Amino acid sequence: DTEVTQTPKHLVMGMTNKKSLKCEQHMGHRAMYWYKQKAKKPPELMFVYSYEKLSINESVPSRFSPECPNSSLLNLHLHALQPEDSALYLCASSPLTERMKLFFGSGTQLSVL
Amino acid sequence: AQSVTQPDIHITVSEGASLELRCNYSYGATPYLFWYVQSPGQGLQLLLKYFSGDTLVQGIKGFEAEFKRSQSSFNLRKPSVHWSDAAEYFCAVGGGGSQGNLIFGKGTKLSVKP
Repeated sequence: DTEVTQTPKHLVMGMTNKKSLKCEQHMGHRAMYWYKQKAKKPPELMFVYSYEKLSINESVPSRFSPECPNSSLLNLHLHALQPEDSALYLCASSPLTERMKLFFGSGTQLSVL
Repeated sequence: AQSVTQPDIHITVSEGASLELRCNYSYGATPYLFWYVQSPGQGLQLLLKYFSGDTLVQGIKGFEAEFKRSQSSFNLRKPSVHWSDAAEYFCAVGGGGSQGNLIFGKGTKLSVKP
């Protein structure tokens, strides 16, 4: 299994809603990542988890709250988002021995109304 | 600071023609370099990567790229383009600390004419 699975594929939410994005991999990777990609822009790193601990937070607003409950799962909790947060949210994982070998999921397309 | 420049925003080639997508990088040390492809609404698929060694790197789907340190370039090539190659192509450089922090270029959209 060389897949990173993200759910849901599409999400529409209001600015007062609370929702979560989920990411799962079964490749034994101990590094997991959240990237944000606005339309017609390159992906930008948001968070990095190593051994289920947050190692990088790229100055992301607190309305985005990541969680890594175990070595296979990565969540991104969303609360009080703004319309400008609408984007494709990509999850990725990599082996710790080869961190640059990222495997990306197909993303969650988020629309904030 | 690391950066990646893809000079071409949009390229159109005829099916069967050769392709070269340009990528220039700025990085203080030996870079880790990547090419990814993304179809609309999809995630990123790794085409190939360069870490060290042979400067001509072979990837999936018939793509190759050549690392040229003197030109700070890592251009992607394919000898004969197929209609299914139409997509967005991103060049990326590995960020500092080997944390999997990739810096992406702005991308090149490839269109293929029949």
